[in-house]
Amino acid sequence: NAGVTQTPKFQVLKTGQSMTLQCAQDMNHEYMSWYRQDPGMGLRLIHYSVGAGITDQGEVPNGYNVSRSTTEDFPLRLLSAAPSQTSVYFCASSYSRDQPQHFGDGTRLSIL
Amino acid sequence: SQQGEEDPQALSIQEGENATMNCSYKTSINNLQWYRQNSGRGLVHLILIRSNEREKHSGRLRVTLDTSKKSSSLLITASRAADTASYFCATPPTGYSTLTFGKGTMLLVSP
Repeated sequence: NAGVTQTPKFQVLKTGQSMTLQCAQDMNHEYMSWYRQDPGMGLRLIHYSVGAGITDQGEVPNGYNVSRSTTEDFPLRLLSAAPSQTSVYFCASSYSRDQPQHFGDGTRLSIL
Repeated sequence: SQQGEEDPQALSIQEGENATMNCSYKTSINNLQWYRQNSGRGLVHLILIRSNEREKHSGRLRVTLDTSKKSSSLLITASRAADTASYFCATPPTGYSTLTFGKGTMLLVSP
């Protein structure tokens, strides 16, 4: 099993550009989530999904969009990149919120 | 806002010593989870303790949970240099579908 796969690993964007961070898992997990990690801020929840077709906002959803058309994939879209979105983004999956989360290795995103 | 907060923010010890990290949270929970993050990597799940449990062990890890004080501690015994990492607690608040993480404790174990 590959676990949770995030692509790309690194990305540099210009302000105003859009892009999609990919997340895929092969464990048949229903619960998936996106976090951003900034120095001194810990992990903050952006969006999450409890199953295909169901998504909801986390703590810091502004500027991000998600969809969940399949159990395996949970892409995160930046609509119009801003320097404040420079961060490390982590995707995680599990059978449910109350089960151990499996994390990808992150996408390091810089917005100039 | 952060549901869980770890203390201390940073901890530096020698190999062979024990390391204790604490986590406090604000609302009632179903369970509390501890994770480790090595530099440049994703988080790895260490241990989950349910709200009706008081103590749990896994190898050199011991976790306690005091729901009356809304706090948990993670003890790593006989620390090794390979234990150098950041450690996070995560709490799923009762009645919510989210899982929130604290800011973490950065542990440095020197040979």
